[in-house]
Amino acid sequence: DVKVTQSSRYLVKRTGEKVFLECVQDMDHENMFWYRQDPGLGLRLIYFSYDVKMKEKGDIPEGYSVSREKKERFSLILESASTNQTSMYLCASVRGGPSYNEQFFGPGTRLTVL
Amino acid sequence: GENVEQHPSTLSVQEGDSAVIKCTYSDSASNYFPWYKQELGKRPQLIIDIRSNVGEKKDQRIAVTLNKTAKHFSLHITETQPEDSAVYFCAASQFYFGTGTSLTVIP
Repeated sequence: DVKVTQSSRYLVKRTGEKVFLECVQDMDHENMFWYRQDPGLGLRLIYFSYDVKMKEKGDIPEGYSVSREKKERFSLILESASTNQTSMYLCASVRGGPSYNEQFFGPGTRLTVL
Repeated sequence: GENVEQHPSTLSVQEGDSAVIKCTYSDSASNYFPWYKQELGKRPQLIIDIRSNVGEKKDQRIAVTLNKTAKHFSLHITETQPEDSAVYFCAASQFYFGTGTSLTVIP
């Protein structure tokens, strides 16, 4: 059974702080994703990674960066947190291959920036 | 990039009735269309998906139809039950999601 875990369920930070959100998957999946989920906006892709040290921008990368030093771990970094980054952050992983496969999501991190 | 629109945003049905959620997409190259269910406080989970080489797929009470010409696809839930109450998301390709439909099944 695929397991995707995220470092925190709830996080409260101050404006301007540097924030690290970590995601770990245990199924040797090649692809990993970071989304933010806001009411009425659905899930929006921030960044994704097809392999270690590889990263691609999604639809809303501004204000975020990512790091993938190991295959199982994908980190989302808010360099200087702002109040408009208050949101639910979801990580997901997918097995690689020539065809599309199911995404497995983590439990989410609800981030509040004060 | 891809643009996915989903309707309705909220849907209430009586237990036992059917529910239909519709999505449209913009990129004719998209060829994978999953549907996710997210119960309150939980993570999204895949419930059914369809690829562009088929027009319909069914799994017990859940079915999905795809019209590639019109670029729309729909989720059909028959004989709804209270445990079907959740937010449902459609997606096109791997990671372009609709805005979600909050389904409430009234006992």
